[in-house]
Amino acid sequence: DGGITQSPKYLFRKEGQNVTLSCEQNLNHDAMYWYRQDPGQGLRLIYYSQIVNDFQKGDIAEGYSVSREKKESFPLTVTSAQKNPTAFYLCASSIDSSYSEPQHFGDGTRLSIL
Amino acid sequence: RKEVEQDPGPFNVPEGATVAFNCTYSNSASQSFFWYRQDCRKEPKLLMSVYSSGNEDGRFTAQLNRASQYISLLIRDSKLSDSATYLCVVKSTGRRALTFGSGTRLQVQP
Repeated sequence: DGGITQSPKYLFRKEGQNVTLSCEQNLNHDAMYWYRQDPGQGLRLIYYSQIVNDFQKGDIAEGYSVSREKKESFPLTVTSAQKNPTAFYLCASSIDSSYSEPQHFGDGTRLSIL
Repeated sequence: RKEVEQDPGPFNVPEGATVAFNCTYSNSASQSFFWYRQDCRKEPKLLMSVYSSGNEDGRFTAQLNRASQYISLLIRDSKLSDSATYLCVVKSTGRRALTFGSGTRLQVQP
């Protein structure tokens, strides 16, 4: 079945630690995105990538980093510089970043601080 | 001012009721509009796109008013399974990703 797989489902971060969230898609989509959702709030864009080896900062990129070495993979690293990392992280993809193409989501990773 | 604004609710309605949500957007360059549904602690899922002429999908009707910059979602004959948060989503010129509202929570009661 085609889809977006995020792992792990739950992740705990210690003080000063970097953690990496995995996102893989087998939909052959060019564009991939990372969002963060805090309780009672909408999704906020962290980073996006329109094509392999290219990515752009979103609205809240500070404290995060990404890579896009393969079309199907777009991992997100939450660095120790991100002081408030506790949130629900959602990865999405779309055929491309054109206006009419909606995004499809993975089932998310919940990150908490130990 | 937020780019996409929604009434957070909750809207508590009995089964079988008709309920409507509105959403306003501030960017007049917005080009594409969608409603997503999000169940508690789950990922958002596309419910329907919103077209300029309005569109219907079963019990769900979406409308777009470009002049007043708002989108609406009407749910007829509400079911218990409709209980969820409904996210208004906009795609604007110059932005490569979607902009999400904070969502409107619907609780359908027996």
